[in-house]
Amino acid sequence: NAGVTQTPKFQVLKTGQSMTLQCAQDMNHNSMYWYRQDPGMGLRLIYYSASEGTTDKGEVPNGYNVSRLNKREFSLRLESAAPSQTSVYFCASGVGLLNEQFFGPGTRLTVL
Amino acid sequence: AQSVTQLDSQVPVFEEAPVELRCNYSSSVSVYLFWYVQYPNQGLQLLLKYLSGSTLVESINGFEAEFNKSQTSFHLRKPSVHISDTAEYFCAVSERGTGGFKTIFGAGTRLFVKA
Repeated sequence: NAGVTQTPKFQVLKTGQSMTLQCAQDMNHNSMYWYRQDPGMGLRLIYYSASEGTTDKGEVPNGYNVSRLNKREFSLRLESAAPSQTSVYFCASGVGLLNEQFFGPGTRLTVL
Repeated sequence: AQSVTQLDSQVPVFEEAPVELRCNYSSSVSVYLFWYVQYPNQGLQLLLKYLSGSTLVESINGFEAEFNKSQTSFHLRKPSVHISDTAEYFCAVSERGTGGFKTIFGAGTRLFVKA
């Protein structure tokens, strides 16, 4: 039981490049989330998926897209990376209606 | 709309001293309250949660938090901290929205435990 896994762990991009962050969970959770963490700002929700086939915008969705590929996988895509997207990205999955969340180890992204 | 305020960004404390990390929230509906802990270079882990029932909840490593509805607070306390408690602590509030439950996190409090 690996929990929530994220790839890659580290990534450096140049401005304008694109990339996809991958996330998978093996806990059969319905809900999945993408957050970014910046110093002094805590975690901010980018997008979430309450169930397979649905996605919704969170607090800071601009510049990102997501795909809920199946119940296990929820990917985050940066179409044209910008330096403001330099951050640590966390994927999480949620338990039922009580929304206790389990987090992956994070992806540290630097955009030059 | 809900919000979570953690009143202290950093809390330095000596080992074996008591500590309180403060959290206030605003919400117009019933909420579920959580404290998460993040150790360096790791993801967040659930520390404890309040869903219903007793307003005092405890974790396995000696932390406790008390839900105070009238003051809309959920402060985290520990009577005697250890060096290993050094981490960042996040208060979080969940409430039901149109797409299911959504969680809002506070900005975090960095706890430094000094020898």
